[in-house]
Amino acid sequence: DAKTTQPTSMDCAEGRAANLPCNHSTISGNEYVYWYRQIHSQGPQYIIHGLKNNETNEMASLIITEDRKSSTLILPHATLRDTAVYYCIVRLRYSGGGADGLTFGKGTHLIIQP
Amino acid sequence: DAGVTQSPTHLIKTRGQQVTLRCSPKSGHDTVSWYQQALGQGPQFIFQYYEEEERQRGNFPDRFSGHQFPNYSSELNVNALLLGDSALYLCASSPGWGYRGEQYFGPGTRLTVT
Repeated sequence: DAKTTQPTSMDCAEGRAANLPCNHSTISGNEYVYWYRQIHSQGPQYIIHGLKNNETNEMASLIITEDRKSSTLILPHATLRDTAVYYCIVRLRYSGGGADGLTFGKGTHLIIQP
Repeated sequence: DAGVTQSPTHLIKTRGQQVTLRCSPKSGHDTVSWYQQALGQGPQFIFQYYEEEERQRGNFPDRFSGHQFPNYSSELNVNALLLGDSALYLCASSPGWGYRGEQYFGPGTRLTVT
C-alpha cells in the first residue's frame, strides 16, 4: 500500500467547506484512495473512495489530481458532528492472494468551530 | 440493514485473566477483521477471518486468538491479559476473500485491564 501524508490537524468554521488534503506520491496505477473518519471513541466510518475520477456521495466529495499523487476530501457544509480524525488510505481494491488489514496512519484531526 | 455489531460495549478485567469479545458482521459480509486501538493511536490490524479460518495476521502475539462461526460471526480471545492490552477493540467486516476495499466497522469494545 502506498504511503500517505496528511496534516496533523485542521480547523474549519461550521457551515463552511472543509478541505482535507492527502499526499500519496508513490501511488500505483491500480491503487484506490479511501477515506475513513473516526469520531471520538467510535469505530471508523468509511466515507468514500476513488481511483482516478472525482467522486461524490451523500457524505463528501473526493478530488484526485490528474497525476494521482494527491487528493482532497471535501465536506461541503461542515457541522459540529464532522469533528473527527480523518484517515486517507491508499490500497488495491482486490488481491488474488487474500486481503490484509487496513493500515491507519495518524490522520488529520478536523475540528469544526462554531 | 444491520451494520456491524459488537459486544460487550465495555469490559473491565484483571491482569492475567482471559477475555472474549464478540462481533457480528454486516449483512452480506463473510470476512471479519479485528483491530486494536490504543489511546491516541490509530487502529492496528490483529487478524482476519474468512471461511472460519485465520487468513492474515498482524504483529500480535499468540495470546490473541480468534474464531469464526458458520454464520460469519466472530470472537476475539485474549489470554493472560496485560495492562498494555487496555484498548478499544474494533471489528470490521467486508465481502469476500481478496477484497481489499472498504471495510465497515462496529462501535468497538472498550477493554480496561487493571
